[in-house]
Amino acid sequence: EAGVTQSPTHLIKTRGQQATLRCSPISGHTSVYWYQQALGLGLQFLLWYDEGEERNRGNFPPRFSGRQFPNYSSELNVNALELEDSALYLCASSDGTGEDIQYFGAGTRLSVL
Amino acid sequence: GQQVMQIPQYQHVQEGEDFTTYCNSSTTLSNIQWYKQRPGGHPVFLIQLVKSGEVKKQKRLTFQFGEAKKNSSLHITATQTTDVGTYFCAGQTLTGGFKTIFGAGTRLFVKA
Repeated sequence: EAGVTQSPTHLIKTRGQQATLRCSPISGHTSVYWYQQALGLGLQFLLWYDEGEERNRGNFPPRFSGRQFPNYSSELNVNALELEDSALYLCASSDGTGEDIQYFGAGTRLSVL
Repeated sequence: GQQVMQIPQYQHVQEGEDFTTYCNSSTTLSNIQWYKQRPGGHPVFLIQLVKSGEVKKQKRLTFQFGEAKKNSSLHITATQTTDVGTYFCAGQTLTGGFKTIFGAGTRLFVKA
């Protein structure tokens, strides 16, 4: 069974540009979570999608947005990139039952120059 | 707001020594999960605790959930170099809608 896949692996952008990160959940999983992990730091919750809808949002500005598609894959968009947006962005999926286990992808390393 | 505090932030041990990381929530949790992230890797689920006072073991790892369901611990007996990484707890609560809150993690260094 394929795990959570994220693309691209690495992404290099310049300040002010926009970045799009993609995530494909484990087959059968309906929930997708996005986290930001700055170098050497913890996981900062960004967004939670379930059944195509945004269920919860972390303490991030509106230029961080996303969506979930009918096939449960998801996109994270970051507009007007700033240097401090440089981080590992992790996607996790779960079966959407609530008190469930999150399975993480390998992440997208975003570098903003 | 709801918080999950995890201590210590870092721990250096000699191989063979024991290690413990603690997780404390400001609110009662419905359950708690533990994840391990190896250097350069992504978090991997280790275990979930649901019941008050629950204790679970995985080989040298012992996980506990407090009686009040507000704290948890992970204890590793006789650490090995393969234990190196960051251990995260993640508390889940149904208050105000389902939420998972990750602790900041404890980074474990093991010296051979």
